[in-house]
Amino acid sequence: QQQVKQSPQSLIVQKGGISIINCAYENTAFDYFPWYQQFPGKGPALLIAIRPDVSEKKEGRFTISFNKSAKQFSLHIMDSQPGDSATYFCAASKGGFQKLVFGTGTRLLVSP
Amino acid sequence: DVKVTQSSRYLVKRTGEKVFLECVQDMDHENMFWYRQDPGLGLRLIYFSYDVKMKEKGDIPEGYSVSREKKERFSLILESASTNQTSMYLCASRKTDTQYFGPGTRLTVL
Repeated sequence: QQQVKQSPQSLIVQKGGISIINCAYENTAFDYFPWYQQFPGKGPALLIAIRPDVSEKKEGRFTISFNKSAKQFSLHIMDSQPGDSATYFCAASKGGFQKLVFGTGTRLLVSP
Repeated sequence: DVKVTQSSRYLVKRTGEKVFLECVQDMDHENMFWYRQDPGLGLRLIYFSYDVKMKEKGDIPEGYSVSREKKERFSLILESASTNQTSMYLCASRKTDTQYFGPGTRLTVL
């Protein structure tokens, strides 16, 4: 049972374009939604995260949009750069111990 | 900087062997995790530990066990390796909301 569904599986964007990755969740008890970025040969690293009390969070070129009623959240990468080429994972957890449930990942390639 | 290290980057074992994967964190974190990463399946939680000698099953614990004798070290054990355990194994430790991952061990079981 996939509690967090992520799409697309892969994405190619031209340099300077906007990359958009979407996630949908089922469990309304989830209250923490992070995005992790993974470069080849490295472990994932936290990129940005949001809680459901806000609809948007922006950090530099990276923005999370959150739609509580639709149970969806998305990552937007503005002015995408070749250095953003990586695999991105959305995740969700509910309170307390922070056991994360991960999406299946999106491989992003930003072409020069 | 938080550092999570894993004992091997690449490991090749034979079916039926007992396999130990070691993870060490240097930030005195209480919580540690073991995941496996497979293409198209994302990261799946095998086991986690919220304190020394404490462990709980994750979503896919079958065929695995863990050991946490010291706070900084969390070991994943494959009692009798099978080919379907060929995967990338990631260890993480947690501080507040953030999980910090090691670089992973790519295990191949022949």
